[in-house]
Amino acid sequence: GQQVMQIPQYQHVQEGEDFTTYCNSSTTLSNIQWYKQRPGGHPVFLIQLVKSGEVKKQKRLTFQFGEAKKNSSLHITATQTTDVGTYFCAGGNDMRFGAGTRLTVKP
Amino acid sequence: NAGVTQTPKFQVLKTGQSMTLQCAQDMNHEYMSWYRQDPGMGLRLIHYSVGAGITDQGEVPNGYNVSRSTTEDFPLRLLSAAPSQTSVYFCASSYRRGISEAFFGQGTRLTVV
Repeated sequence: GQQVMQIPQYQHVQEGEDFTTYCNSSTTLSNIQWYKQRPGGHPVFLIQLVKSGEVKKQKRLTFQFGEAKKNSSLHITATQTTDVGTYFCAGGNDMRFGAGTRLTVKP
Repeated sequence: NAGVTQTPKFQVLKTGQSMTLQCAQDMNHEYMSWYRQDPGMGLRLIHYSVGAGITDQGEVPNGYNVSRSTTEDFPLRLLSAAPSQTSVYFCASSYRRGISEAFFGQGTRLTVV
């Protein structure tokens, strides 16, 4: 079945540094969604990408969907302590989640 | 707006006990689902429903039952709890499966001893 792999599993950065997490699927995805989960919280929807090569921005966050619709990335520019949490991708109509990337930020 | 409401927030069970995790949404969403979250494994789909009276199995359904008698409610039943079911459980709802934003409940932290 469809597998969604997410790397890295953990990322620790100094405040102000950039951060990127990647999702890769073994099959072509109809769409991909990104969620953020704060420590002790629940996943919260960030964005959905549908088109091949699509790029969307939300302030310091940039989301990309690969041309082949098999991979996606989330890039955060100049991280802040408020960015701390685990970022998940979820691919396709059955919303298969990646394992998540846990981001910690040192002030 | 309440969104998705899960109860209880915390639960400790003894091996072999049964219980029901409650989930209710007030957004008139057709699609509802249950996930379990374990360290390093992300969110794994247990069961889902595309509408009242319709349920189906997800990735890890063994040991769990669901029903969907109304649009609003989607309870998850643990038939005979096992230590392997110790996890955080999330209920989610969305307008359509996989193509619209999913709203998650606050989660239930379950420990089976």
